Amino acid sequence: DAKTTQPPSMDCAEGRAANLPCNHSTISGNEYVYWYRQIHSQGPQYIIHGLKNNETNEMASLIITEDRKSSTLILPHATLRDTAVYYCIVRVGNYGGSQGNLIFGKGTKLSVKP
Amino acid sequence: KAGVTQTPRYLIKTRGQQVTLSCSPISGHRSVSWYQQTPGQGLQFLFEYFSETQRNKGNFPGRFSGRQFSNSRSEMNVSTLELGDSALYLCASSLSSGGLSTDTQYFGPGTRLTVL
Repeated sequence: DAKTTQPPSMDCAEGRAANLPCNHSTISGNEYVYWYRQIHSQGPQYIIHGLKNNETNEMASLIITEDRKSSTLILPHATLRDTAVYYCIVRVGNYGGSQGNLIFGKGTKLSVKP
Repeated sequence: KAGVTQTPRYLIKTRGQQVTLSCSPISGHRSVSWYQQTPGQGLQFLFEYFSETQRNKGNFPGRFSGRQFSNSRSEMNVSTLELGDSALYLCASSLSSGGLSTDTQYFGPGTRLTVL
């Protein structure tokens, strides 16, 4: 079973920031938080991941609480093309062994509206 | 760098037939994982290959099998197809470079299999 809880759906106005929450209260010390998104019928697209510190890349920012029990993915200026299902996944880091499978939950369907 | 490629993109088969799907990972990536996505079950892990060896396997029947070649390309095979095998089959590759690694998996566009 997925170790994360996400709201099933969210709306966001185009041009505004989209803040997608994720709860992972049972996360272990060696587990990373990953975010992917899937636009209808396409393969999931990697967005960002982090362990403890906040992370930012060209697509998004990831804010992880100090106790690591929850996180927020921020799309700073949402566009219509950001409409997708967003998945939050916790995954253990491995020492060169099996990378381990990703366990997808149901994700959050983000609808960006004009 | 080219992304993960999967062939064919669409496939229609009938019950009882078998099917082989192909995945070419990102250049230099050594690990390939396969996932099945259906409306009812969502995205589920099938298996993972690294250096031509299966390292991990999900909870699927033996009709689902795979292999990896020396150039890291991978194929998965489904024998005796059932209606419930209709799904989007996704392949993901990662660098798997060794050491402390949280290698990111990058997904291909998928193969849409329809079983009639």
